[in-house]
Amino acid sequence: GESVGLHLPTLSVQEGDNSIINCAYSNSASDYFIWYKQESGKGPQFIIDIRSNMDKRQGQRVTVLLNKTVKHLSLQIAATQPGDSAVYFCAEKWGAQKLVFGQGTRLTINP
Amino acid sequence: DAGITQSPRHKVTETGTPVTLRCHQTENHRYMYWYRQDPGHGLRLIHYSYGVKDTDKGEVSDGYSVSRSKTEDFLLTLESATSSQTSVYFCAIEETGGTDTQYFGPGTRLTVL
Repeated sequence: GESVGLHLPTLSVQEGDNSIINCAYSNSASDYFIWYKQESGKGPQFIIDIRSNMDKRQGQRVTVLLNKTVKHLSLQIAATQPGDSAVYFCAEKWGAQKLVFGQGTRLTINP
Repeated sequence: DAGITQSPRHKVTETGTPVTLRCHQTENHRYMYWYRQDPGHGLRLIHYSYGVKDTDKGEVSDGYSVSRSKTEDFLLTLESATSSQTSVYFCAIEETGGTDTQYFGPGTRLTVL
């Protein structure tokens, strides 16, 4: 598959551990945020989203935390599995502006 | 996959030739998008559409045109392909109802020699 990014930040975790992937967003006026997962050779896959009136949102094995004070977003994946290996990136939106995407973090799982 | 298909999935062409990529959706969403993805860059918006015959430019629209004659199809055309347009192209739809959530197709890998 193609390389999403040649010099992406990389996070390596042991299988079964929890993963925390961070994203610093750019605009204090951003009011909507999304996390995507992209496996090699595939399109980005929606994981979870959150609006700025919330600090935390949970899905199946994933939690997104939003800290508006420091413009920081994190994705927590519980009990990381080999299938979680992918590039993860966040996107933000403000007003009528379209989604703006970060470059991502490559998550690798060690057996 | 939100009912999105892209064709072709892979294409190799020569500089100066026209190329058209197709995005097809099955769920009648109003908004459709074309992005390119390159190493060292996040997804970058090329053009988007907010209805039949209604389109607008994104941040990297130079060298690209789009058309949307039917709700389900959004076409991206490179009038005269250049090597700088070698990339992976993704189509996305935005759920109707203003949710802001975008769902992506599987992508087209385009190589311009």
